[in-house]
Amino acid sequence: SSEVTQPPSVSVSPGHTARITCSGDVLASQFANWYQQKAGQAPVLIIYKDTERPSGIPERFSASSSGTTVILVITGVQVEDEADYYCQSVDLTGVTHAIFGGGTKLTVL
Amino acid sequence: QAHLVESGGGVVQPGRSLRLSCSASGFTFNQHGMHWVRQAPGRGLEWLTVITFDGKRNFYAGSVKGRFIVSRDNFRRQVYLQMNSLTTEDTAVYYCVKGVVTNSTYFFDSWGQGTLVTVSS
Repeated sequence: SSEVTQPPSVSVSPGHTARITCSGDVLASQFANWYQQKAGQAPVLIIYKDTERPSGIPERFSASSSGTTVILVITGVQVEDEADYYCQSVDLTGVTHAIFGGGTKLTVL
Repeated sequence: QAHLVESGGGVVQPGRSLRLSCSASGFTFNQHGMHWVRQAPGRGLEWLTVITFDGKRNFYAGSVKGRFIVSRDNFRRQVYLQMNSLTTEDTAVYYCVKGVVTNSTYFFDSWGQGTLVTVSS
């Protein structure tokens, strides 16, 4: 089955730019979506269809896609952005199964 | 604004069954596939199952296929997850999630607050 891979952790200083990668063969043909999960809370959709941002999500959240890798970019990181971030796509074998990356813990130093 | 509320979690012994419910409001329920996603303590998200908008088809992750059954009642705006033959590996927070289908893919735009299932003797 398909899978996507994320780094376990990323650290960044406030005001700087954080980049979180998500890689997998499935991303060459399927969209990626990103979720933010703060401690003790449910995940929240922050990016869908590779680069689209839902209403209410700050503009400092963006993403890009190239080949088998997608990158979540957070510019001007704020302390409140400290959270776990998950990429998600769908299985190549029929688009019936969702797949999640293992998640990346963003630490704002 | 979609609102999802799960219920039915709790402590259950290994080998027993448990049924989760999810009550939906704030969107046209019968137009969306509904999913269950779980998160074991300290672990990542794991997609479990989807039921189509009309309830006619469902799909399962390999880890729960044959043990879990998803169903829905569009009149009552409810989704259910029947969990059988539970093991300690099923201990997790279970989220009810609204799916959005677009361009032959889908994403999750609304999540419930989750309900904790603990499988322990």
